[in-house]
Amino acid sequence: KAGVTQTPRYLIKTRGQQVTLSCSPISGHRSVSWYQQTPGQGLQFLFEYFSETQRNKGNFPGRFSGRQFSNSRSEMNVSTLELGDSALYLCASSLPGGGTDTQYFGPGTRLTVL
Amino acid sequence: GEDVEQSLFLSVREGDSSVINCTYTDSSSTYLYWYKQEPGAGLQLLTYIFSNMDMKQDQRLTVLLNKKDKHLSLRIADTQTGDSAIYFCAETNAGKSTFGDGTTLTVKP
Repeated sequence: KAGVTQTPRYLIKTRGQQVTLSCSPISGHRSVSWYQQTPGQGLQFLFEYFSETQRNKGNFPGRFSGRQFSNSRSEMNVSTLELGDSALYLCASSLPGGGTDTQYFGPGTRLTVL
Repeated sequence: GEDVEQSLFLSVREGDSSVINCTYTDSSSTYLYWYKQEPGAGLQLLTYIFSNMDMKQDQRLTVLLNKKDKHLSLRIADTQTGDSAIYFCAETNAGKSTFGDGTTLTVKP
């Protein structure tokens, strides 16, 4: 099976712009979670989608949003970018009900905000 | 809320064993995980342990779980230079993982 894929891998934006990141889960996985990784804050949970519904949300401002499509692919959007949004954004997919709820991570999208 | 803590750095000689420790707070976690991250890469799942187990061995990796003390450890036998990376322990509940800050393992030849 192919792993979790994320596009694009690298992105450079300027303050005030918006950005959309994409994540394709492992085939058959219906849950997609998003994380932000920065040197200062570590790995922080953004949100989780299951069957096109947001089930869980972390402590991020409303500028961070996401959605999930019927094929389980997910996108996250960040509007009005700030310098502090520069980070590695990771998505993970899992198969809820499969027993372990184990999350498998993609390679990440490296976002740089100038 | 959930909290996971790890020591930040560990340095060992090639061929020695490495032990990375982690403590967690959420006693409802059914599974606990270890991930490895190499520079510029995502998180690679190494192994996990079910909360009603005390130990799990997977080739060079041994996971020990003390549920009473909420303490988890990862032992890497015969550590190689390719094992140099950041190691994260995590607990997962309902699609949300809580991670420690990661332990940077440096393996010296």
